[in-house]
Amino acid sequence: NAGVTQTPKFRVLKTGQSMTLLCAQDMNHEYMYWYRQDPGMGLRLIHYSVGEGTTAKGEVPDGYNVSRLKKQNFLLGLESAAPSQTSVYFCASSYTYDFGELFFGEGSRLTVL
Amino acid sequence: QQPVQSPQAVILREGEDAVINCSSSKALYSVHWYRQKHGEAPIFLMILLKGGEQKGHDKISASFNEKKQQSSLYLTASQLSYSGTYFCGTEMGGNQFYFGTGTSLTVIP
Repeated sequence: NAGVTQTPKFRVLKTGQSMTLLCAQDMNHEYMYWYRQDPGMGLRLIHYSVGEGTTAKGEVPDGYNVSRLKKQNFLLGLESAAPSQTSVYFCASSYTYDFGELFFGEGSRLTVL
Repeated sequence: QQPVQSPQAVILREGEDAVINCSSSKALYSVHWYRQKHGEAPIFLMILLKGGEQKGHDKISASFNEKKQQSSLYLTASQLSYSGTYFCGTEMGGNQFYFGTGTSLTVIP
């Protein structure tokens, strides 16, 4: 049982480049989330989705876009990467509403030069 | 909006007890606790619901004081495996959920 899988695990970008992080879950969860984790700041919510075809903004959505075309996948896109987006990104999913027990992926470390 | 955790870091010897506190400036519906080991994903520990009882499993338990908008995580007779960063997450309703900045716990032999 894979749970939540993120790809890629590591990526280095130059300022202005674009990229997409893919999150896939095989638990049939309705709710999916993208977080970023920075030293001393904990986990901050970027965007989330309460079901296929829906997305909503979290605490720090600027500079990111997301799509949930299929229930099992949640994509996070950076259209024009900036050094401030250097971070570790975590995808999570949950079965219940209101941010129930979150199942996290292993994380994707992104460096923007 | 982000809850405040204290202490920021703590070092324990095996067998000692620790308390990690989580405090919010807003009324809470629930408090969640997670543990993250270095380089790994956070792992869910427990949820405490408004009006619910103190929860726990094994030697890790937690309480939720709704009036004070605070939660505490209790680790008793700590083991080496307890090392990691502990995060509380606070749910305030209206799709508002925020993680604290974390408490680093190190257990040494």
